Amino acid sequence: EIVLTQSPATLSLSPGERATLSCRASQSVSSYLAWYQQKPGQAPRLLIYDASNRATGIPARFSGSGSGTDFTLTISSLEPEDFAVYYCQQRSNWPPRFTFGPGTKVDIK
Amino acid sequence: EVQLVESGGGLVQPGGSLRLSCAASGFTFSSYWMSWVRQAPGKGLEWVANIKQDGSEKYYVDSVKGRFTISRDNAKNSLYLQMNSLRAEDTAVYYCARDVGSGWPEYFQHWGQGTLVTVSS
Repeated sequence: EIVLTQSPATLSLSPGERATLSCRASQSVSSYLAWYQQKPGQAPRLLIYDASNRATGIPARFSGSGSGTDFTLTISSLEPEDFAVYYCQQRSNWPPRFTFGPGTKVDIK
Repeated sequence: EVQLVESGGGLVQPGGSLRLSCAASGFTFSSYWMSWVRQAPGKGLEWVANIKQDGSEKYYVDSVKGRFTISRDNAKNSLYLQMNSLRAEDTAVYYCARDVGSGWPEYFQHWGQGTLVTVSS
């Protein structure tokens, strides 16, 4: 089973700053990795899929990169609505099962 | 507009059963893999189970195998999760989720608002 590790656990930043979140897989997942944003009391929202593709309606300040075992989500300039928890997720080829990372909380400094 | 609306959550005693439902609208339900994803209070996300478009394939996380059964009724645009032998560690918000595309399951594009299941005596 592939395990996803996210760092840091918490990131304290100010609006306008750049956020860099990391997700590491215990073995290669190729580019089959997604990022989600979740705000309190809400369902998660898909931000990035296939490591670097923005989902429909996601602002350009969100970008993803990486392949293999190391991935990064970058928020170029934090807006007030970006303070939330971010999860990475991978899917296995066969059988089609999914795992999530433990999350990174981006909070206001 | 894609909509997923879960129902059926509530308080149940350990060892008890509960059946969750998810009503789908705004897309061709029978064209997509569907999943259940849960989130324990204050914790992260955990994929629980998924089901192929025609119901012929079903997969589960190890911790619920033999206790939970995922099913669907394409005529009613509905997804279900039958949960038996419930344990305290099954306490969570359960989300219904639709895949991003109509092919092989990969990522979760659309989510319901979730339904809370509490297992406690």
